[in-house]
Amino acid sequence: QVQLVESGGGVVQPGRSLRLSCAASGFTFNVYAMHWVRQAPGKGLEWVAVISYDGSNKYYADSAKGRFTISRDNSKNTLYLQMNSLRGEDTAVYYCARAIDVVTALSGFDPWGQGTLVTVSS
Amino acid sequence: DIVMTQSPDSLAVSLGERATINCKSSQSVLYSSNNKNSLAWYQQKPGQPPKLLIYWASSRESGVPDRFSGSGSGTDFTLTISSLQAEDVAVYYCQQYYSTPFTFGPGTKVDIK
Repeated sequence: QVQLVESGGGVVQPGRSLRLSCAASGFTFNVYAMHWVRQAPGKGLEWVAVISYDGSNKYYADSAKGRFTISRDNSKNTLYLQMNSLRGEDTAVYYCARAIDVVTALSGFDPWGQGTLVTVSS
Repeated sequence: DIVMTQSPDSLAVSLGERATINCKSSQSVLYSSNNKNSLAWYQQKPGQPPKLLIYWASSRESGVPDRFSGSGSGTDFTLTISSLQAEDVAVYYCQQYYSTPFTFGPGTKVDIK
């Protein structure tokens, strides 16, 4: 079945870095755009970044620009989010999600992974 | 950036009754290439990731019960649950995917009265 599994979350000090991974299975990974979405504790959903199916195009929320880098390895069916210069406000559950239509990023998101919690605290 | 707003913030509906959630975008999300609105609805239950219910404003995702329906165009959209069931207790989010950043509404919490 179609599945996304995030990993790499944990507790990290402010200013440090963390890399999240999202392992995809059950579908042809290299024809779908992929997203990262986060949710701070008790808060709503915030889109973070998207990468095109071939990795050639990447877009970020203002909160992520210059600090976060989205990437993918289509040979490993894996999506990544490199997060640098982490701040307390980056504390959240980070979800990866797939675009529902092939090739384009302009579509709904489904499925979603279960999420990985990132806590930025000294 | 396109700002998404939702109303109400929360609502309580009796079992079997209708629940209506409104969503407004700060600019039109009508995609000229296919004349469809780039608007999705998600359901999130406690401790779970969001689940896609509706895309292109009115297309129901596979497996979603037909009591869920979406409508609207341009800047004003509605999610309707025609007959609320106990398992529909959740927070519902609208989202535009017309342009980056792909913004979400603040969410509407639906409970049983």
